[in-house]
Amino acid sequence: KQEVTQIPAALSVPEGENLVLNCSFTDSAIYNLQWFRQDPGKGLTSLLLIQSSQREQTSGRLNASLDKSSGRSTLYIAASQPGDSATYLCAGGGADGLTFGKGTHLIIQP
Amino acid sequence: EADIYQTPRYLVIGTGKKITLECSQTMGHDKMYWYQQDPGMELHLIHYSYGVNSTEKGDLSSESTVSRIRTEHFPLTLESARPSHTSQYLCASSLTGSSEQYFGPGTRLTVT
Repeated sequence: KQEVTQIPAALSVPEGENLVLNCSFTDSAIYNLQWFRQDPGKGLTSLLLIQSSQREQTSGRLNASLDKSSGRSTLYIAASQPGDSATYLCAGGGADGLTFGKGTHLIIQP
Repeated sequence: EADIYQTPRYLVIGTGKKITLECSQTMGHDKMYWYQQDPGMELHLIHYSYGVNSTEKGDLSSESTVSRIRTEHFPLTLESARPSHTSQYLCASSLTGSSEQYFGPGTRLTVT
């Protein structure tokens, strides 16, 4: 059974810093790895999807990597802004659905 | 922006009532999912569907039921709501062959 762990659980940094969010998974036979953003009281916004055959994906200031052999993914956020404050969720894709981590609650201080 | 809708967004209801949470998508996706998220906890898959007339149970046991009579519609029903059902329910969809899932805004259910 897939288990997904996210570290750290919470992070607070000043605006402008580059930061890395970590995600680990136990079953390397994942179909894909998806990163989401969740704002309070709202649904999930898909940020990046990395297929199992890919190593990384980039979108604007975001870069996500996937290393299946070590069971790890990282989300890199460059030049952080207060609007980046949210909970970031990592999810491993299987045959039937996604297995989520508990998320990293990120606060960017102005 | 993903075209997936959930109603109601918020629902407060008494114990024992029957409720149906609606989920619709206009993207023509064949696969649909329901996830449950308790406050401060991770999302858990409770139901999914591969297409019309297909329904399967997810990893987390749930007393809810689902139906898939139309491709675009995947409602979730609780026959008799209990306080333990208080949670946020998120609907998602994806296209077979593309594993990216798109999520609706969620329904926050409170059973008193």
